[in-house]
Amino acid sequence: KQEVTQIPAALSVPEGENLVLNCSFTDSAIYNLQWFRQDPGKGLTSLLLIQSSQREQTSGRLNASLDKSSGRSTLYIAASQPGDSATYLCAPVAGGTSYGKLTFGQGTILTVHP
Amino acid sequence: NAGVTQTPKFRILKIGQSMTLQCTQDMNHNYMYWYRQDPGMGLKLIYYSVGAGITDKGEVPNGYNVSRSTTEDFPLRLELAAPSQTSVYFCASSYDGGGEQYFGPGTRLTVT
Repeated sequence: KQEVTQIPAALSVPEGENLVLNCSFTDSAIYNLQWFRQDPGKGLTSLLLIQSSQREQTSGRLNASLDKSSGRSTLYIAASQPGDSATYLCAPVAGGTSYGKLTFGQGTILTVHP
Repeated sequence: NAGVTQTPKFRILKIGQSMTLQCTQDMNHNYMYWYRQDPGMGLKLIYYSVGAGITDKGEVPNGYNVSRSTTEDFPLRLELAAPSQTSVYFCASSYDGGGEQYFGPGTRLTVT
């Protein structure tokens, strides 16, 4: 059974800092991995999808890396802004007979102060 | 383009009552999912579907039922509601199981 751990559970930083959010998973037989953002009281928004054959994926100030063999992914946020405040969740996507099933971590709650 | 829509937004049920949470997507996606999210927790998969007429259990299916008669709709049925089913329920869809998932806004359910 896939288990996903996100560290830290919460992070509070001043505006402008570069951030690192960590995600680890126990089953490395994944199809891909997705990072999501969730604002309070809202649904999830997909940020980045990184294929199992990729090492990195970038979108604007966001960069996600994936080390499938060691079961780790990292989300980098450059030059953080107050608008980045949200909960960030990672979710490896299963392959094989469980293709398409996502397992979510508990998330990292990010607060960026002006 | 509405994306994924869910109704109702909020609902209070008494113990033992039943209800159906509605989910509709207009993106012609094959895969659809139901998740629940308890306070301070990540999402747990309840049921998912890979196409019309095909459904499968996720991690926490007990107390729920689903059907998928069309590509667009994936309703979630709660029978004999229990306080443990108090949660926020999210529906999601993707064109392919490995593709980007799109989420609805959620239904906040309280069972008392």
